[in-house]
Amino acid sequence: AQKVTQAQTEISVVEKEDVTLDCVYETRDTTYYLFWYKQPPSGELVFLIRRNSFDEQNEISGRYSWNFQKSTSSFNFTITASQVVDSAVYFCALSDRGSTLGRLYFGRGTQLTVWP
Amino acid sequence: KAGVTQTPRYLIKTRGQQVTLSCSPISGHRSVSWYQQTPGQGLQFLFEYFSETQRNKGNFPGRFSGRQFSNSRSEMNVSTLELGDSALYLCASSPGQLSGNTIYFGEGSWLTVV
Repeated sequence: AQKVTQAQTEISVVEKEDVTLDCVYETRDTTYYLFWYKQPPSGELVFLIRRNSFDEQNEISGRYSWNFQKSTSSFNFTITASQVVDSAVYFCALSDRGSTLGRLYFGRGTQLTVWP
Repeated sequence: KAGVTQTPRYLIKTRGQQVTLSCSPISGHRSVSWYQQTPGQGLQFLFEYFSETQRNKGNFPGRFSGRQFSNSRSEMNVSTLELGDSALYLCASSPGQLSGNTIYFGEGSWLTVV
């Protein structure tokens, strides 16, 4: 069965602090895809990154970076020098062949609040 | 390139009524999926359509239904509304066909049932 766990329900930081959002996943498939989405109060889920199971390279995009470790089934997301605009709910999600096309399994999300 | 468009954005319905939500996917995308988001249950998958065919369905009662048109636009319908159906309904689109495609979401339709 597929499962995504985001153990951190809420995180509060002060601007310019670094923050890491944790994501642990479960799947029996050897081919799978991991995603991070950002959800501001408006409701839209904004796509941030997709990573496939064969690519364990870490990725950096500006202040965002992602650490994918198959050995621990984790796909953590770090925001460096956080800003108030980073305040949102962040979701980690999993898609695999067993879930059929077009379906994502989401974690419960982490509410990030960045204080000025 | 226009994103995923959902209408209406906000609506209030009374228990027992029905509602239809609409979704226009990104141009060229043939897969449309729907999710329900509530504070208690989080994001839950409703169903997914590709080329007018439902390929996958989540664990929701038959009151929830959907369809996809030949232009890939999709609608979902909820009949005999219950208070618990109050939620944010999100539509998503992807190119489809292969697993692992990036799935893009719309802004959602906020449904309140009173």
